[in-house]
Amino acid sequence: DAKTTQPPSMDCAEGRAANLPCNHSTISGNEYVYWYRQIHSQGPQYIIHGLKNNETNEMASLIITEDRKSSTLILPHATLRDTAVYYCIVRGGYNFNKFYFGSGTKLNVKP
Amino acid sequence: KAGVTQTPRYLIKTRGQQVTLSCSPISGHRSVSWYQQTPGQGLQFLFEYFSETQRNKGNFPGRFSGRQFSNSRSEMNVSTLELGDSALYLCASSFGTSGTSYEQYFGPGTRLTVT
Repeated sequence: DAKTTQPPSMDCAEGRAANLPCNHSTISGNEYVYWYRQIHSQGPQYIIHGLKNNETNEMASLIITEDRKSSTLILPHATLRDTAVYYCIVRGGYNFNKFYFGSGTKLNVKP
Repeated sequence: KAGVTQTPRYLIKTRGQQVTLSCSPISGHRSVSWYQQTPGQGLQFLFEYFSETQRNKGNFPGRFSGRQFSNSRSEMNVSTLELGDSALYLCASSFGTSGTSYEQYFGPGTRLTVT
């Protein structure tokens, strides 16, 4: 299973864009990149996912490099409520629902 | 549409006892996965059920077991509880399973404390 590497923590000013990087250099061709976040003691919340192309939804944008070995989650206008641990996950194949969450990035949005 | 529900939300047990946790997935979802979250180990996959069959299993001892009913509701059981089993147990549901891009939706979790 492909593993991910994320910085343990990042700071972001409220109202600015938060760019969270993720390395997944062992990703396979049929594996997707997923992003979840977890606010303290709550269940993880789905944010976005992609395979090859960049994706955007009402919450965030996902930029995947052409070689698919890394990706960046972008929260365009971070708010205090975006303070959470953000997990980058790679999944695919038969074990599609077998998530490996890793340690994630603690995003601190500051006023 | 109602989200994933888990019961109970909080539970205190003593070592050696057993416990059963329940999860009701989102209506229409057929896949249920279970995770254990601890400060030391983070979020770890326990197992996944789809249409009443266990499809994937994580690296946990046989004391951890689960099942899924015909209505997709799922239970997990932990026998002979140990102090290290104290954790937040999370259930996640999704519409499909293997080979698809369906996202998982998580419940609020059951906080189990073993004393």
